[in-house]
Amino acid sequence: AQSVTQLGSHVSVSEGALVLLRCNYSSSVPPYLFWYVQYPNQGLQLLLKYTSAATLVKGINGFEAEFKKSETSFHLTKPSAHMSDAAEYFCAVSDPGNQFYFGTGTSLTVIP
Amino acid sequence: GAGVSQTPSNKVTEKGKYVELRCDPISGHTALYWYRQSLGQGPEFLIYFQGTGAADDSGLPNDRFFAVRPEGSVSTLKIQRTERGDSAVYLCASTKQVGEEAFFGQGTRLTVV
Repeated sequence: AQSVTQLGSHVSVSEGALVLLRCNYSSSVPPYLFWYVQYPNQGLQLLLKYTSAATLVKGINGFEAEFKKSETSFHLTKPSAHMSDAAEYFCAVSDPGNQFYFGTGTSLTVIP
Repeated sequence: GAGVSQTPSNKVTEKGKYVELRCDPISGHTALYWYRQSLGQGPEFLIYFQGTGAADDSGLPNDRFFAVRPEGSVSTLKIQRTERGDSAVYLCASTKQVGEEAFFGQGTRLTVV
């Protein structure tokens, strides 16, 4: 079975600082991995996805994530935080032919 | 359609009543998912359809919950004898193929009073 662990339910960074949101997964087969963002009172929006191509994946809004099989991690980063990045971030895993499993989310606060 | 559409966007119902939540996926998407999201939590899987059939309904919490997708497009999530604990945002998503990027609707906020 697949599962996702997001370390840190709340992360605060200063505007302009590095954003690092952690995600570790468990999967018995090569997984597909996703990061979604949810702004208040809105649905989930895909930031980026890993589907067994390049291990460094670039997404929207300057975010990127690196798939590290040896560490079973898929951490999300952004070099410089912007106020508009404040939101809830969810990591998700699926294996081909199966459904999605989401982490419990990380709430990102950006301090001006 | 352009995106996943869920109706209604908000639903308030009395305890014990029956409710139906509708999801209209992106045209041509074969897989459809229902999730439930409580405040401060991640989406919790309920059920997913591949075409008309429920491929996995293991997330449905009990037999008060049921979902259908009779023509392989629109899906309805049905909740009987609602309880206050059913209050949550119910999210629907669709994918072109199972396991690919999921596109989410805005959700239906269900409040049971």
